[in-house]
Amino acid sequence: GQQVQQSPASLVLQEGENAELQCNFSTSLNSMQWFYQRPGGSLVSLFYNPSGTKHSGRLTSTTVIKERRSSLHISSSQTTDSGTYLCALGFYGSSGNKLIFGIGTLLSVKP
Amino acid sequence: GALVYQYPRRTICKSGTSMRMECQAVGFQATSVAWYRQSPQKTFELIALSTVNSAIKYEQNFTQEKFPISHPNLSFSSMTVLNAYLEDRGLYLCGARDGLGASQNTLYFGAGTRLSVL
Repeated sequence: GQQVQQSPASLVLQEGENAELQCNFSTSLNSMQWFYQRPGGSLVSLFYNPSGTKHSGRLTSTTVIKERRSSLHISSSQTTDSGTYLCALGFYGSSGNKLIFGIGTLLSVKP
Repeated sequence: GALVYQYPRRTICKSGTSMRMECQAVGFQATSVAWYRQSPQKTFELIALSTVNSAIKYEQNFTQEKFPISHPNLSFSSMTVLNAYLEDRGLYLCGARDGLGASQNTLYFGAGTRLSVL
């Protein structure tokens, strides 16, 4: 089955509302990363968060390994936050980094 | 800073032909490079993991015969899609790791090569 599951699949907000995106994983991991995918397809790394809580501006990421979940919180959403948010499990070894991506959450923020 | 350039950004090829895409690391040494594909309506799938001076490891459903990869030095990798068909269309990303730097667990991604097949 899928190792990484994201929810919701899509989310529509009014500007100013908060968003909570979830990522659940079914296997042990070395780390968790959150990415924002621009409309053109390129990825922007938001957080490298193997455990605990990290903040960056209006974004907060919390990973709880023993519960096999990670969340991305967006406060006071803006229209420019619209796009796809992906979480990815990281497996690291001598042969290199390997990421297993979730299907993503498509966020749409209306003005 | 660490940057990864991919080219071409977009390409169109006829069904049954091949196309090559390239990945250039700038500002760091790309000891390993991962190639991913995002097919329409799907998430990113790992195609293969390439480490300089080591064998390239392909994931299930992807083969060297279909996606040959070259990783000749610490700044460059290329991948070819041979005999491309409709199911090969999508966005191809390379992610490079700086195995010699402070952030060894960070993958730096390029902007991707978007492949369309006619």
